[in-house]
Amino acid sequence: QKEVEQNSGPLSVPEGAIASLNCTYSDRGSQSFFWYRQYSGKSPELIMSIYSNGDKEDGRFTAQLNKASQYVSLLIRDSQPSDSATYLCAVRRGFQKLVFGTGTRLLVSP
Amino acid sequence: DTAVSQTPKYLVTQMGNDKSIKCEQNLGHDTMYWYKQDSKKFLKIMFSYNNKELIINETVPNRFSPKSPDKAHLNLHINSLELGDSAVYFCASSQGDLRFGYTFGSGTRLTVV
Repeated sequence: QKEVEQNSGPLSVPEGAIASLNCTYSDRGSQSFFWYRQYSGKSPELIMSIYSNGDKEDGRFTAQLNKASQYVSLLIRDSQPSDSATYLCAVRRGFQKLVFGTGTRLLVSP
Repeated sequence: DTAVSQTPKYLVTQMGNDKSIKCEQNLGHDTMYWYKQDSKKFLKIMFSYNNKELIINETVPNRFSPKSPDKAHLNLHINSLELGDSAVYFCASSQGDLRFGYTFGSGTRLTVV
């Protein structure tokens, strides 16, 4: 079992819709979770971090964490074509190590 | 004013050669990392240094040797390059409790032919 699992996609949504990206992790003791966005040929950039169960909102993005079920999700409201990218889920393990999932490719069609 | 800068951006070399990638950060972060991203976009940690001290050394061939002359610099030297080393190598840095995650460099695309 991989430490962090994501559906590779692509996830296709029309412009203006809500995109829902999911991630599960294996270590029940994990405490910190991150979502990164990576455009093709570019480096990952941090979108959000979440530490507590529940929802955390930042603009059009909402991260949701459920530690009991060991999943974390990212919702993107009013999806735009510029949101088309690969979204990487990362889980903190140990001192300062992030373990990444393989990413979900999101395609937003105009 | 690039926060984490890597050089070179592209590297094409023949099997058996030795090459280096350099990384510098001007964020004042204490910890720096090397990650390898394969063709399937999987990002895997290779090394981490905290204040010049090696703290993470994943299962990486001995041909890979990191060096951190100070906390703002982390270089990666690769000996006897193999076809399987072809990937994008990302440098990253972070501070303290990882509240803001990592800041990544722009990456170095290494192609071994």
